[in-house]
This record gives sequence, structure tokens and C-alpha cells, in this order.
Amino acid sequence: SQQGEEDPQALSIQEGENATMNCSYKTSINNLQWYRQNSGRGLVHLILIRSNEREKHSGRLRVTLDTSKKSSSLLITASRAADTASYFCATDAYQAGTALIFGKGTTLSVSS
Amino acid sequence: GAVVSQHPSRVICKSGTSVKIECRSLDFQATTMFWYRQFPKQSLMLMATSNEGSKATYEQGVEKDKFLINHASLTLSTLTVTSAHPEDSSFYICSARRSGGVTDTQYFGPGTRLTVL
Repeated sequence: SQQGEEDPQALSIQEGENATMNCSYKTSINNLQWYRQNSGRGLVHLILIRSNEREKHSGRLRVTLDTSKKSSSLLITASRAADTASYFCATDAYQAGTALIFGKGTTLSVSS
Repeated sequence: GAVVSQHPSRVICKSGTSVKIECRSLDFQATTMFWYRQFPKQSLMLMATSNEGSKATYEQGVEKDKFLINHASLTLSTLTVTSAHPEDSSFYICSARRSGGVTDTQYFGPGTRLTVL
């Protein structure tokens, strides 16, 4: 099962520009996490935002969470070619022991 | 941070054979592990929840007799793809939660790429 949609599905930008990806989900959550995946590789955990938080920063990453709209956004500032990857949001339900459920992902391409 | 390993990282097999994939939590105990499948250019889909000492819970549409899961210890879960066919070719990723039920970060393995000829 999957939680919902991410948009855009694909995003192409130039180095130095900002990239914004959005994620919507359907159920109540304990937290929401963002992951990056380079082509053919494993997942890299980027950032976790709890349901009682509205915004969180980590380096060039900024994540927002709106639980009333069941949506989150990931902003990557001053993008680099190395940021080229697929980005997924994943929601953690309120019940202990449940799995993370992933969104469909956004494929980001940053050209130099 | 916590480490989860998978073995093998890559496997190629003939149609009709069975393939076993191991998932280990290296520095913590995990009563619950999860198995995901990812087809090319798609997201991760949860296949099943593996519970130590009990039967796995499978997601709708996942054949439990085809994807056998065993979680015999607090650090090891195995996924066996039985009678594999080309449509089973995929990237299989496991994850583990620390024992204790804290609903925070899951730790993911690096994945196993299965190619069935």
C-alpha cells in the first residue's frame, strides 16, 4: 500500500536553483520522513519531522509539515549536480511496530 | 547509527529456482523487520511484516506461499522467493525497528537486486 502522491513526479533544474517537492498522505501519522535514493542504490535518510512540528531544517534542506492538509514539502536550496536522485516521503503511523509507507517519489535532475 | 545488512547484494538465477535473501540487524535487536519490493522507476512497496518468533503478516496481493519469510532470531530475517520467475525480478529492501516499540527511524538495508532469467 502507498500513502499518496508526490509532486512533481519529475523535476529538472539548473545548479544553484532551489528544488521543491511535495508529498500528500492519507492517514494520521506519528512522523514523516524524507529519503533520497540514487539510481540503483539503497535509501539515504535525510530528515524526520514529527507530527507536532511544522518546520525543520538540516543544512540545505527545509521540510514543512501541515497535518491539517496532510501534506509535507521538501525544499533543497542551492542545488548541486550531486543532488540528482529520487526523493521519497515516508509516513510512520501512530501505532508502534508499523512499517513506513512510502510515497511515489520525485525524480530530481540537476544539471550543471 | 544502527546498521542493517543484506546478503546477497545481487543475485541472478534461472526461472524456477528459489532464492534466499538475508536481512541482519548488526548492532541492535529487532523484534520487527519489514520487507519491501521496488520495481524500476517505482517506489518501495511494503510486502510483509516479519515478527520474531511468529508468522509474518503479508500485504494484500503478496503471495505468502511464494515469498516465505522466517524471523528466527532477533537479528535475522530471511525472505525466500520460491520458484522465481522473471516478473519477480526486482530490488528487495529490508528494514528493522529497534526492540522497544519506539516509533522513530527504521533502519534500512542496502537492498538486494534479484534478476530472474
